[in-house]
Amino acid sequence: AQKITQTQPGMFVQEKEAVTLDCTYDTSDPSYGLFWYKQPSSGEMIFLIYQGSYDQQNATEGRYSLNFQKARKSANLVISASQLGDSAMYFCAMSFPLSGNTPLVFGKGTRLSVIA
Amino acid sequence: DAGVIQSPRHEVTEMGQEVTLRCKPISGHDYLFWYRQTMMRGLELLIYFNNNVPIDDSGMPEDRFSAKMPNASFSTLKIQPSEPRDSAVYFCASSFSQGYEKLFFGSGTQLSVL
Repeated sequence: AQKITQTQPGMFVQEKEAVTLDCTYDTSDPSYGLFWYKQPSSGEMIFLIYQGSYDQQNATEGRYSLNFQKARKSANLVISASQLGDSAMYFCAMSFPLSGNTPLVFGKGTRLSVIA
Repeated sequence: DAGVIQSPRHEVTEMGQEVTLRCKPISGHDYLFWYRQTMMRGLELLIYFNNNVPIDDSGMPEDRFSAKMPNASFSTLKIQPSEPRDSAVYFCASSFSQGYEKLFFGSGTQLSVL
């Protein structure tokens, strides 16, 4: 079965520090995509970053980078230079484009609180 | 582009009433998804459509839930009759394709069933 696990229900980080949000996954499908979404207190879901299973390099988008370790089946999100506005829920999600029948599966999320 | 548009933003109703949630996907997107978010269960996929055709509705919790997509620019999620345990945030999302493309989410509908 395909499964996404986020083991940290909540995290605290000091402003301007870097923080890593953990995500592990379980699949036997060789082709998959990994996504991170941010959900601030206003409720909307905001796409942050994407990593394909065959991508050779780790994805980066501004202050966001994805630490992709395929053998360990982990796709941790790294946020550098944290800002107060980064306080939000963060969801890891996975897709299986070749399976044909399963769109994004989401983890339970991690609540990040940035402290001034 | 206006993004995915959901209405209403908030809905408060009494148990037993019919509730209809609406969604307008981004023009050109051929996939549309309905998700439900609760504290206990997180984000759950209810149903999704490809080119207006329902592909997988195995996430629809009960027969009280139904979803339609009469055309490429409109979808509804209906609950009849509603129950207090249906209280949640319901998200609609759309994408160009399944799997490799990111989902674009609407702002959600906060449903409260009293």
